[in-house]
Amino acid sequence: EAQVTQNPRYLITVTGKKLTVTCSQNMNHEYMSWYRQDPGLGLRQIYYSMNVEVTDKGDVPEGYKVSRKEKRNFPLILESPSPNQTSLYFCASSPTGYAEAFFGQGTRLTVV
Amino acid sequence: GQNIDQPTEMTATEGAIVQINCTYQTSGFNGLFWYQQHAGEAPTFLSYNVLDGLEEKGRFSSFLSRSKGYSYLLLKELQMKDSASYLCAVNGGATNKLIFGTGTLLAVQP
Repeated sequence: EAQVTQNPRYLITVTGKKLTVTCSQNMNHEYMSWYRQDPGLGLRQIYYSMNVEVTDKGDVPEGYKVSRKEKRNFPLILESPSPNQTSLYFCASSPTGYAEAFFGQGTRLTVV
Repeated sequence: GQNIDQPTEMTATEGAIVQINCTYQTSGFNGLFWYQQHAGEAPTFLSYNVLDGLEEKGRFSSFLSRSKGYSYLLLKELQMKDSASYLCAVNGGATNKLIFGTGTLLAVQP
């Protein structure tokens, strides 16, 4: 089954404790991206990647890191999480930036 | 700057037709997407327009006018399960960033 898998689905952590949210897709897509979704602000793109070893900043990259060492994986790293990073996070993949995106099920992160 | 506007909420009646508008101002344009998102779930793709005109897909149609920076999503024969948020998104061109509007929450009433 074609899918984008994110883990974990839910995470509560403390300020400053490094964490990684994993994202994996099995569709051989080149384009992958991370979004955060906050009430009243909609989906905002954090980082995107057009291919292996190619990543670019989206609209809200501060406080986040990503890497794309393999085509299928695109982890999101929070080196020192802060409460303002409490949000619902989605990973997505698509064949290109101009095609239908498939979203993971989301990760609800709470930073206390 | 880059901006996408859509109404915050709309209400419609089961069986009716509803049109959700989206206007955009972006530095570049490589296409406009519509996604549906039910509460607590991931967005799912509905349509993609890159040329002017109407794209029809079953009960859903999407229209684009690039000169006016305007799109709409038309939902026909509304069903209760169509109650969801509808997200308009634009691929911003050379940067390949995808910019989303804040979404329109549609409530379908019996």
